[in-house]
Amino acid sequence: EDQVTQSPEALRLQEGESSSLNCSYTVSGLRGLFWYRQDPGKGPEFLFTLYSAGEEKEKERLKATLTKKESFLHITAPKPEDSATYLCAVQALGTGFQKLVFGTGTRLLVSP
Amino acid sequence: SAVISQKPSRDICQRGTSLTIQCQVDSQVTMMFWYRQQPGQSLTLIATANQGSEATYESGFVIDKFPISRPNLTFSTLTVSNMSPEDSSIYLCSVASPGRGTEAFFGQGTRLTVV
Repeated sequence: EDQVTQSPEALRLQEGESSSLNCSYTVSGLRGLFWYRQDPGKGPEFLFTLYSAGEEKEKERLKATLTKKESFLHITAPKPEDSATYLCAVQALGTGFQKLVFGTGTRLLVSP
Repeated sequence: SAVISQKPSRDICQRGTSLTIQCQVDSQVTMMFWYRQQPGQSLTLIATANQGSEATYESGFVIDKFPISRPNLTFSTLTVSNMSPEDSSIYLCSVASPGRGTEAFFGQGTRLTVV
């Protein structure tokens, strides 16, 4: 069964204090790994898709990396507006549509 | 990315009643998805809705409890039937990125409280 585990559950940072969020996964052949940001009262907002080990993607202060067993979301010099829940999801290989399997997320709070 | 609008954004309902949630997309999409996000838990896929065919339900979800309509390529509804407090959750509509079929995009969700 495909599984996603995110750690830590919650993370509090000072503004400018860089850190990383972890997403460990088990999947029967990875089609893609996805990172989303979710603000309170809103739906998840798509950030990145990673397809193969060694791949990296960046967007502003965020950088996502992928290995065969886990992904990291690195946050460099975060700002208070980066406070949100960050969700990781995997999609398995297969014919036709393969559903996304989500982790429970990491709640990030960045204090000024 | 597609723009997805959900109605209502939140509701408080009496147990035993039903609520229909609407999802409107600003472009034609083949597949639409309905997720549930219970407090402190991950998003869980309820069903996949294709236009012109019956929805496909995930394990643990049944059509009698969560009937879905998909009358055209831009619209879908999810009904939560005979509600109980355990149905209190956020319900999210999602579509796959047009032309790419991998990334999923989400509406803002419907926060349902059953009392």
